[in-house]
Amino acid sequence: NAGVTQTPKFQVLKTGQSMTLQCAQDMNHNSMYWYRQDPGMGLRLIYYSASEGTTDKGEVPNGYNVSRLNKREFSLRLESAAPSQTSVYFCASREVGAQETQYFGPGTRLLVL
Amino acid sequence: GESVGLHLPTLSVQEGDNSIINCAYSNSASDYFIWYKQESGKGPQFIIDIRSNMDKRQGQRVTVLLNKTVKHLSLQIAATQPGDSAVYFCADQIGGYQKVTFGTGTKLQVIP
Repeated sequence: NAGVTQTPKFQVLKTGQSMTLQCAQDMNHNSMYWYRQDPGMGLRLIYYSASEGTTDKGEVPNGYNVSRLNKREFSLRLESAAPSQTSVYFCASREVGAQETQYFGPGTRLLVL
Repeated sequence: GESVGLHLPTLSVQEGDNSIINCAYSNSASDYFIWYKQESGKGPQFIIDIRSNMDKRQGQRVTVLLNKTVKHLSLQIAATQPGDSAVYFCADQIGGYQKVTFGTGTKLQVIP
């Protein structure tokens, strides 16, 4: 049981390049999330998927797209990376119910030059 | 959780002492609260949660206190150990809904 896994762990992009961050969970959770974390700040929600086949915008969706490929996988795409997207990206999953805590992956550190 | 700007508050505690980390939230409709621990280079990890129908909940060496009147949450860590050094976040949400609000975090430094 690996929990939430993310790839890659670290990536350097040039301005204008595109990339996809991958996330998978093996806990059979319905809900999945993408957050970004900037120095000295809390987590900010980019997009979330309440269930397979649905996605919704969070607090900071501009410049990103997502795909809920199946129940396990939720990917985040940067079509044209900008330096302002330099951040640490965390994927999380959750099962709404008795305990509603989110389980987080180890993060992807992205540097856009 | 409530945004407190770019500078992360830091709490320095002697090993063996008790730690108290505070958090304010702004949404009076929030009814579920969580504390997370984030070690350097890792994702946040669940510590303890509490629902709004309680004002105190205890775990192993940790206690969460909730004061709904002043919208305040605290995390108490007993007999703080070097392994407790991390950034601690509170989060609040409305049960059953997707949106979770995270605080900016408090850095706990344990002095050996």
